[in-house]
Amino acid sequence: EVQLVESGGGLVKPGGSLRLSCAASGFTFSSYFMNWVRQVPGKGLEWVSCISSGSGYIYYADSMKGRFTISRDNAKNSLFLQMNSLRAEDTAVYYCARANSVGASEIDYWGQGTLVTVSS
Amino acid sequence: DIQMTQSPSTLSASVGDRVTITCRASQSIGIWLAWYQQKPGKAPNLLIKKASSLESGVPSRFSGSGSGTEFTLTISSLQPDDFATYYCQQYNSFPLIFGGGTEVEIK
Repeated sequence: EVQLVESGGGLVKPGGSLRLSCAASGFTFSSYFMNWVRQVPGKGLEWVSCISSGSGYIYYADSMKGRFTISRDNAKNSLFLQMNSLRAEDTAVYYCARANSVGASEIDYWGQGTLVTVSS
Repeated sequence: DIQMTQSPSTLSASVGDRVTITCRASQSIGIWLAWYQQKPGKAPNLLIKKASSLESGVPSRFSGSGSGTEFTLTISSLQPDDFATYYCQQYNSFPLIFGGGTEVEIK
């Protein structure tokens, strides 16, 4: 069974940093592109970033470029999102999400999400 | 970037109704469109990929159609479990873009 379990969310002050983690199991993690998608509570879905299976290709939404860094450790079946210079508008549930195929793709599995709250 | 416009934003319907949700892309995306269902407090669930390909395990009352810039999700006979929010997503190119969502509520 595919499982994606996020951790690392919490309360952080504006300008602060946070590192999210996603532990993957039930599939060959190293073979899949992976994404982060976020959702402001009560609002729609917003794609954040995608990383290729071997980390050779990385993509970001424009509003996160330069502040967020996606990475992965295939030996540990883990995906990460380093978030710096956080703003109030980054407050959201962050989902770890598996791409169904290489490149730009639909998302076939999602984690349960981790809530990031940016507030003073 | 490609923009995705979903309509309506809210839809009131009764059990047994036929429901149609529309998603329009600002430029052609071929068939590279997915539909998701999301219930409160839960992660989205993939229903349809490649505009019309039903994901395994998804009831056959769900169907998708369209190509290019206009797409539809149809629920042929709305069931109690279908009251949820639905999102389209383009994956023709990065950045991946979701539509604004359609909340299907009980009439």
